[in-house]
Amino acid sequence: QVQLVESGGGVVQPGRSLRLSCTASGFTFSSYGLHWVRQAPGKGLEWVAVIWYDGNIEYYADSVKGRFTISRDNSKNTLYLQMNILRAEDTAVYYCARAVRHFDYWGQGTLVTVSS
Amino acid sequence: DVVMTQSPLSLPVTLGQPASISCRSSQSLVYSDGNTYLHWLQQRPGQSPRRLIYNVSNRDSGVPDRFSGSGSGTDFTLKISRVEAEDVGIYYCMQGTHWPAWTFGQGTKVEIK
Repeated sequence: QVQLVESGGGVVQPGRSLRLSCTASGFTFSSYGLHWVRQAPGKGLEWVAVIWYDGNIEYYADSVKGRFTISRDNSKNTLYLQMNILRAEDTAVYYCARAVRHFDYWGQGTLVTVSS
Repeated sequence: DVVMTQSPLSLPVTLGQPASISCRSSQSLVYSDGNTYLHWLQQRPGQSPRRLIYNVSNRDSGVPDRFSGSGSGTDFTLKISRVEAEDVGIYYCMQGTHWPAWTFGQGTKVEIK
């Protein structure tokens, strides 16, 4: 069955960096685009970034553009989100979700807390 | 960006009674391929989102048939024919048509009266 498992969250100080991972199984990873979506505590869902199946196309929300980088390693079935210059407002649960227009499967999320 | 507006934002429902959630988009969600990428997500308390309905009216595998979706263009509805206790949670509409800015509704909290 399709599984997406996020990891790498934690507590980090403002201005520092963190890298999240999303490890996939149960499907042909290299055939699907993947998203990162976040949810601040008690808030709704916010799209963060997407990467195409082959890694050649990336898009970012304005709120993270220039600070976050999405990437993937199709040989390891893993999606990444490199987050730099973190701010308090980046505090959220980060989910990976499959498929560019479909969002058909979601991971369980990993919590990132930006605090001094 | 396409704005997705849900109503109501809070929906107290009696067990066994129907429930309905509206979602409106600021632009038509019909894509150039003829599909309408309007999906409904369910987020139960403490869980990650799960897709319930895709492309307006198609139920995902394992979704009970008491859930149904309808609509077209910019106006969409999620209906639960008879609410059960396990339906408590937050429901989001989202659009996958207009990119590169995928957007979600604010969420509708369904609770039992």
